[in-house]
Amino acid sequence: TQLLEQSPQFLSIQEGENLTVYCNSSSVFSSLQWYRQEPGEGPVLLVTVVTGGEVKKLKRLTFQFGDARKDSSLHITAAQTGDTGLYLCAGARTGNQFYFGTGTSLTVIP
Amino acid sequence: KAGVTQTPRYLIKTRGQQVTLSCSPISGHRSVSWYQQTPGQGLQFLFEYFSETQRNKGNFPGRFSGRQFSNSRSEMNVSTLELGDSALYLCASSPGGRGAYGYTFGSGTRLTVV
Repeated sequence: TQLLEQSPQFLSIQEGENLTVYCNSSSVFSSLQWYRQEPGEGPVLLVTVVTGGEVKKLKRLTFQFGDARKDSSLHITAAQTGDTGLYLCAGARTGNQFYFGTGTSLTVIP
Repeated sequence: KAGVTQTPRYLIKTRGQQVTLSCSPISGHRSVSWYQQTPGQGLQFLFEYFSETQRNKGNFPGRFSGRQFSNSRSEMNVSTLELGDSALYLCASSPGGRGAYGYTFGSGTRLTVV
């Protein structure tokens, strides 16, 4: 069982649609990050959230950290084909522990 | 500034052989972590090195080992390769502890064991 569960596992949508990806855990994290990975490349850090309830926006992407710091969501508005990729959440806990989520594979169809 | 460089990008090895992968982190980053990525298991943590010392280790057999040099460059070695070792091996550097400040990943080494 993974400490960070992401849903959905796979998502295929039309260009212009909105979507939300969830990252859930029963554990508390001191910070949470989101990465995007394209085929054949390493993950690229998109954002780090550290405060419960925090919301960060990166152009059409909105990231939220849950109030209890156990979950997070990524919302994409008006998806574009360039948003296609594997989205990974990752959380840091005390004691230098760091965990990656199970991943959400997003395909945006033109 | 230069990113994280991993070499080689692709590798094909035979069962029973050993392999060494290399990683050059971002200049000034002292922490280097290694991950194995497979479709079924996702990203699995192998180990982390900080200032030439292994600071954390994941749940992998002893066939997987690594080291870090004084210039922060790191290598990982896999001995007695098995078919199940086929994966994308990712190196990630960060200024401090194990990703808490955000990782910068290399493009990975795609290892295929036949």
